Amino acid sequence: GEDVEQSLFLSVREGDSSVINCTYTDSSSTYLYWYKQEPGAGLQLLTYIFSNMDMKQDQRLTVLLNKKDKHLSLRIADTQTGDSAIYFCAVYNTNAGKSTFGDGTTLTVKP
Amino acid sequence: KAGVTQTPRYLIKTRGQQVTLSCSPISGHRSVSWYQQTPGQGLQFLFEYFSETQRNKGNFPGRFSGRQFSNSRSEMNVSTLELGDSALYLCASRPLATPTDTQYFGPGTRLTVL
Repeated sequence: GEDVEQSLFLSVREGDSSVINCTYTDSSSTYLYWYKQEPGAGLQLLTYIFSNMDMKQDQRLTVLLNKKDKHLSLRIADTQTGDSAIYFCAVYNTNAGKSTFGDGTTLTVKP
Repeated sequence: KAGVTQTPRYLIKTRGQQVTLSCSPISGHRSVSWYQQTPGQGLQFLFEYFSETQRNKGNFPGRFSGRQFSNSRSEMNVSTLELGDSALYLCASRPLATPTDTQYFGPGTRLTVL
């Protein structure tokens, strides 16, 4: 089955850029998502990218997809303390009809 | 528009008991998915319902079951609880069941099995 991996922790200073990385194994994944989870809350969809795209930008968020290396990244520009949360990468396989999630990256933003 | 609501928010049960969790999707959403989140296994897909029919199922034993009602509300049942069933159970809804539909998550039900 699909395997999705992320580094567990990332710490940055307020105002810096954050880059969260994700790798996956199934080349037939069609949609790739980034979610944010704050303490005590459910997941919030931040953005998604279709597999035929290389990049998607949405305000402070930039998603890069390297389909050849099966690597997805989320860049947060001008990171704020309110961005501290767990970020999940998820990939959707059309054949399986479901998404597989990574274990999440805990982002800590220091003032 | 009200968000996805899950009840109860917290639940404590003992081994061998059964439990039913409830999820009310956003009004107009017809797809409801359930996930189990644990520190060790991460977020794992349980099943998805659309228009009262189970569309997909994850790799969980038959003790985990669900259903969806005509008003799109969904329930998840776990029978013969085990210690390893302790987890945060998340429900998510979306308008249809297409992958580009934004999935909205509820706050979850925290189940503790003693």
